[in-house]
Amino acid sequence: QVQLQESGPGLVKPSETLSLTCAVSGYSISNGYYWGWIRQSPGKGLEWIGTIYHSGSTYYNPSLKSRVTISVDTSKNQFSLKLTSVTAADTAVYYCARAGIQLWSGGFDYWGQGTLVTVSS
Amino acid sequence: QSALTQPRSVSGSPGQSVTISCTGTSRDVGGYNYVSWYQHHPGKAPKLMISDVTKRPSGVPDRFSGSKSGNTASLTISGLQAEDEADYYCCSYAGSYTFEVVFGGGTKLTVL
Repeated sequence: QVQLQESGPGLVKPSETLSLTCAVSGYSISNGYYWGWIRQSPGKGLEWIGTIYHSGSTYYNPSLKSRVTISVDTSKNQFSLKLTSVTAADTAVYYCARAGIQLWSGGFDYWGQGTLVTVSS
Repeated sequence: QSALTQPRSVSGSPGQSVTISCTGTSRDVGGYNYVSWYQHHPGKAPKLMISDVTKRPSGVPDRFSGSKSGNTASLTISGLQAEDEADYYCCSYAGSYTFEVVFGGGTKLTVL
């Protein structure tokens, strides 16, 4: 059974960098599939942040592209999110998820439980 | 404002059918068969219900079905059950100018 678990600070100060890691178990990232980050701000809908392949190829939400970096560490079977220059608008529950085996196809079929990140001084 | 338009809420009685629409454009819903639907109970992880417009993942009841016509995709839930009450989100690949994924604003399903 594929399982994903997000980890990282729950509180980040404005203008600083948000860093989260998604540990994957039950499946080797190196075997394929794309992996992504999605967030949900309080009272709002889901927002795609970006997607990565085990080779390191990345695709980002154009509205966040200038602040986002997603990376993968196949030796630890995990992938990570960095979001710079955060503001209160970045307060959200952040989810990591497995995307399709082919880019853009298959939807996000396995999700982490999500982690709340609050941006506040 | 979300890229894909969904009704804010729909409702139905147990046993009835409801359909949730998801309207986009030719650069997303209308242009590709990469529409997916998610069920989201507050406080839990979203669950994939439909992928690639019509595909139902293993374990999802066949009461859930997806379709698409032009720039509008739809999720139909037949034989409504109390546990179907949740938020539902559509999602699509959006290409042409950029490579990205867009979500709808979500629809709250109430089982009366």
